[in-house]
Amino acid sequence: SQTIHQWPATLVQPVGSPLSLECTVEGTSNPNLYWYRQAAGRGLQLLFYSVGIGQISSEVPQNLSASRPQDRQFILSSKKLLLSDSGFYLCAWSVLQGVGTQYFGPGTRLLVL
Amino acid sequence: GQQVMQIPQYQHVQEGEDFTTYCNSSTTLSNIQWYKQRPGGHPVFLIQLVKSGEVKKQKRLTFQFGEAKKNSSLHITATQTTDVGTYFCAGPGLNTDKLIFGTGTRLQVFP
Repeated sequence: SQTIHQWPATLVQPVGSPLSLECTVEGTSNPNLYWYRQAAGRGLQLLFYSVGIGQISSEVPQNLSASRPQDRQFILSSKKLLLSDSGFYLCAWSVLQGVGTQYFGPGTRLLVL
Repeated sequence: GQQVMQIPQYQHVQEGEDFTTYCNSSTTLSNIQWYKQRPGGHPVFLIQLVKSGEVKKQKRLTFQFGEAKKNSSLHITATQTTDVGTYFCAGPGLNTDKLIFGTGTRLQVFP
């Protein structure tokens, strides 16, 4: 069966520090991968999505970047964190672009101080 | 741009009361999906509706897709404390690369 992993589960980082969040999927090949951010009590904001290795689409211009170095690995990065980067970061995968069901990882809670 | 709105934003009910959340899209959708996010958790897929006017049931949950395929509803009969969470609808984006999630409805159930 398919599983999706995210780490770390929680992270407290100072303003101006770098960030690297990793997401990996097991049990499927060539998944579509997505990064979302959720502010406390709010909805899901799509940040990036990828339909293949090295292919990244950015939804919102901001302080973050994404990379997909391997088929089932999706990384979210920042060179210098801002206070506004705090939130709940969720990775998701699907089989079909847009139309298919998305399966979410457990998420990473990031607090920037 | 394409938008998917949900009402109400919040709903507090007494255990045993019914609950309904409504989802409205600015564009016609090829399908509508529903997700539930428990407090502190991640969204979990509940169901997908594809056909115009389709109605599906999962125990106490009834999902409906509108005739024009631009709106949907989720109705919970006799809510329980386990129903607490935020319910999101979602539909494919115009370019079909991504899902557009609704704004969500947070349900609180008091025992």
